Amino acid sequence: SQQGEEDPQALSIQEGENATMNCSYKTSINNLQWYRQNSGRGLVHLILIRSNEREKHSGRLRVTLDTSKKSSSLLITASRAADTASYFCATDLGAGGTSYGKLTFGQGTILTVHP
Amino acid sequence: NAGVTQTPKFQVLKTGQSMTLQCAQDMNHEYMSWYRQDPGMGLRLIHYSVGAGITDQGEVPNGYNVSRSTTEDFPLRLLSAAPSQTSVYFCASSYHRGLGSYNEQFFGPGTRLTVL
Repeated sequence: SQQGEEDPQALSIQEGENATMNCSYKTSINNLQWYRQNSGRGLVHLILIRSNEREKHSGRLRVTLDTSKKSSSLLITASRAADTASYFCATDLGAGGTSYGKLTFGQGTILTVHP
Repeated sequence: NAGVTQTPKFQVLKTGQSMTLQCAQDMNHEYMSWYRQDPGMGLRLIHYSVGAGITDQGEVPNGYNVSRSTTEDFPLRLLSAAPSQTSVYFCASSYHRGLGSYNEQFFGPGTRLTVL
């Protein structure tokens, strides 16, 4: 079963607008990560937020984590056409506080940014 | 550094054939994983390894074998290919900083496999 569920499945916006993607998960996590995948390519790591963190920023990216609701959101501000890609959340369940690189991915959000 | 490399990029097999997907990384990462990606399913973990000589099953291991004889290489073997194994396969590696530390995955470019 999928640990992460993402919403919306697809998002279409204009350049300059903000894009928000949401991820919900089912069990306790060690950390949550967001990845981007351009069409036909491998995944690229964007940002990692630990279970004891509530918000994290990286450039135009802002990630929030609400462990009580088992949910996370990814905000991309001032979007560009180059942001067009699929975005995946991934949860690391860990084991005794140690991460083993064993991630469970959501099904992804397809973001299209129109010039 | 080349990062994570995968070969081949594309492969077509007939049902019942066997083959090995190659994965190598030059970052001295302890952890390596294989995922498959199917439309609308995200990525699902097939097998993973926490170091040379140590492997374990992921979510969808049936029909696949792995071994890890060196830190750099983590090949995935399809024993008897089936049409249900048509997918895009990604290899990933990550580093471990010790108890309580966290890591990110570095992904290869993928192998697109079609089983007829």
